[in-house]
Amino acid sequence: NAGVMQNPRHLVRRRGQEARLRCSPMKGHSHVYWYRQLPEEGLKFMVYLQKENIIDESGMPKERFSAEFPKEGPSILRIQQVVRGDSAAYFCASSPIHAGLDNYGYTFGSGTRLTVV
Amino acid sequence: QQQVKQSPQSLIVQKGGISIINCAYENTAFDYFPWYQQFPGKGPALLIAIRPDVSEKKEGRFTISFNKSAKQFSLHIMDSQPGDSATYFCAASQGAQKLVFGQGTRLTINP
Repeated sequence: NAGVMQNPRHLVRRRGQEARLRCSPMKGHSHVYWYRQLPEEGLKFMVYLQKENIIDESGMPKERFSAEFPKEGPSILRIQQVVRGDSAAYFCASSPIHAGLDNYGYTFGSGTRLTVV
Repeated sequence: QQQVKQSPQSLIVQKGGISIINCAYENTAFDYFPWYQQFPGKGPALLIAIRPDVSEKKEGRFTISFNKSAKQFSLHIMDSQPGDSATYFCAASQGAQKLVFGQGTRLTINP
């Protein structure tokens, strides 16, 4: 039973390039969440998606960032024209439709560490 | 109002001692309070969680104490071990849709 799979684990991009981060949720999980973690800080919510729907994107920067979770395939977080300030660890989490009383089944992947040079 | 404040930033405890990490929140609509453990290079892993209808939850050496009136909750790690050395995050959410995380506590257990 594979966990939440994120790839690549490490990504280096030059300023101005595009970064594409992929997340495959756990089997049976249809909800995906993206979080960003800056060095020495907690995780900050970015976006919550279900298949083919963006449910809450209140944490997404208004420009250059977009996310999708297509009917088939992984969820993608896309960052266009990256800048040095985008350097961070990006974590994806997934959860099932119906969460248990004590455990919402919210499981994180190991993250993608983006470095912009 | 969406913030969760966590303290201390770093904590050093002797092996066998009790580690205590505290968090405070403002949003009274929060109804789910998990604690996550994160090792370097890894994603956060759920440690233990509590709902506001109970004041304490214990799982093994880990206990959450919850004070609804004070809007505070804390993690206690009993008999702390070197393997517990990690960064710990408290979090809160309403309906478990999106988590608001504290700033994290770097815990070091000295052998």
